[in-house]
Amino acid sequence: GEEVAQTPKHLVRGEGQKAKLYCAPIKGHSYVFWYQQVLKNEFKFLISFQNENVFDETGMPKERFSAKCLPNSPCSLEIQATKLEDSAVYFCASSQFTSGGSYNEQFFGPGTRLTVL
Amino acid sequence: EDQVTQSPEALRLQEGESSSLNCSYTVSGLRGLFWYRQDPGKGPEFLFTLYSAGEEKEKERLKATLTKKESFLHITAPKPEDSATYLCAVQAGDSGYALNFGKGTSLLVTP
Repeated sequence: GEEVAQTPKHLVRGEGQKAKLYCAPIKGHSYVFWYQQVLKNEFKFLISFQNENVFDETGMPKERFSAKCLPNSPCSLEIQATKLEDSAVYFCASSQFTSGGSYNEQFFGPGTRLTVL
Repeated sequence: EDQVTQSPEALRLQEGESSSLNCSYTVSGLRGLFWYRQDPGKGPEFLFTLYSAGEEKEKERLKATLTKKESFLHITAPKPEDSATYLCAVQAGDSGYALNFGKGTSLLVTP
């Protein structure tokens, strides 16, 4: 599609429950990024993919967070055993690197608001 | 450690009153500096990418400029529909392609 799609828009989980978020990147974009936005404007990078391969996972909490991008499927971000501090808006972005050496902009989806009670 | 600082945190302008938003950064090897606009409840909307000092880009009432230490987003004769949070982000040479965001400037333009 022409826009990054994220589902669901809102997700409510009790502490300790699992949460799974989905992202469909713009068609033809080979890079997918996940960010967490807390406290209104603080963005934290979590993980990026180049096609189905993990490209950079330096921001990913190792213990409870996992992510996948499989061929012909939406990318997913899964949080096992959610905690109160996981409450945030999770954004997915996609990008298409150009061989000319410029680093293209990342286009963001509308986000998934996760509330952990 | 890479840092991105935006100022002011909030700005209130009258319609037609031009102003500038600042984004100062320290980064090891800048790949690119990005400006986004974010409306409440929505994802960031791409505005500009700047790659090297001296570069300028314009779009309607917005103009972005870049030096080796900071970027400015100039808003000329703003309208109420320009009200939003403006985010600056840098992409560093050692960060893969991840964006490091500032905390944004919340702009309110009143009629």
